[in-house]
Parts: sequence; structure tokens; C-alpha cells
Amino acid sequence: GENVEQHPSTLSVQEGDSAVIKCTYSDSASNYFPWYKQELGKGPQLIIDIRSNVGEKKDQRIAVTLNKTAKHFSLHITETQPEDSAVYFCAASYTGRRALTFGSGTRLQVQP
Amino acid sequence: GAVVSQHPSWVICKSGTSVKIECRSLDFQATTMFWYRQFPKQSLMLMATSNEGSKATYEQGVEKDKFLINHASLTLSTLTVTSAHPEDSSFYICSAADLKNTEAFFGQGTRLTVV
Repeated sequence: GENVEQHPSTLSVQEGDSAVIKCTYSDSASNYFPWYKQELGKGPQLIIDIRSNVGEKKDQRIAVTLNKTAKHFSLHITETQPEDSAVYFCAASYTGRRALTFGSGTRLQVQP
Repeated sequence: GAVVSQHPSWVICKSGTSVKIECRSLDFQATTMFWYRQFPKQSLMLMATSNEGSKATYEQGVEKDKFLINHASLTLSTLTVTSAHPEDSSFYICSAADLKNTEAFFGQGTRLTVV
């Protein structure tokens, strides 16, 4: 089955700096890669996703890049703000299987 | 995005009792629902997938007789933790998907504590 690895496990940045979280996946059939933000005691919230037919997607301060050949994808957050502090999960799935395989999570702390 | 409502948000029960958790899709028909479990400071692990009107498919290592899943309608799935024990204490999260979208929408989670 699919295996998703995520790094780093913790990340501390100063407000206004950029943050990058990286994930790799093992199953070449995977074609859908969402990123979730989870705040304490809450369910995950989708922040951005990318499909394997594109290499990059951007939504305001958040961007995701995908390298299908290397089987890795990354989340980029620019101009970080204290409210960006949370745990971020990457995930992967493929058409026909909408259950997600999650990475291990990254705890992002943005220092004011 | 679509709304998935999970109830209760937290529950405390005594060891040996059963607990039911509901997952509802409020504004779309969920042909497929997923149940995940998340232990503290860990990732979400898929427990089972259920399609409306059919039996759930459980992931390896998940006891189907302990975690009963019912998906009787296109808007409601339930997870019943039977004969709960302290090691079942966890955060249970459902997600729901319709036929149109790849994206599955998540509920807010249920914190189960077994004492």
C-alpha cells in the first residue's frame, strides 16, 4: 500500500518568514495530494490540494509543488503569521480510492 | 466546501460500555464515508471505508466486531465502539465523499475517553 513520509516533524519560524514542509510517497498510482491544517482538538481542514496533472498550485500565501518523477510534494507558506501555527498533514490517494494515506504531521510554530 | 457534522464532539464512558458516534453530511449525499483514528500527537490512521447500503471494509488490524460501522443512508454513518476499554481512548474522525469529487470532507472529530 501507499506510504507517505513527512518532514520535518516540528518547524519553528519567525513571523513573516517562509515555511516549507516536504512529503514523499511510494505508490506511483497516487494522483491526488491534499494538505490539511489541524488545530488542537479539531478535525483536519483542507488548505490546498494538487493533482498529478499539474506541477504547482498557489492560493494567496500558500503553494504546493509536485514532482511526480521523484514522488515528492511540498507545502510552501510565505509571510507566516501566528495564526498559521498548527499541525500540518500531507496526504495521498488515487482515483477510485478516496481514503487518504496521511503523513506523520508537522507542528509549525510561528513566533511573533 | 461541503459540511460534515460529527456528534458528539467528546464523550467519556466507563470501561465495558458501548459508544456510538454519528457522522452526517449536511448538504450533499455521501456515497462513501471513512472513519479514522488519531492517537495523541500522531497521524490519522484509516480504520474503515463504508459505502451506503453495503458492509464496511476494514483496514488490517481493525476489529470489525469491536468497531461496528453502519452506513444506512446517504447522509449518515455511525461508528459504535463496543465493550470499550481504556486503550480505545482516541480521537475519532469521519470524512465523507460524494460521487463527483475526489475530495473528502472531514468532520470535527470525537474525543473518546474510556475510564
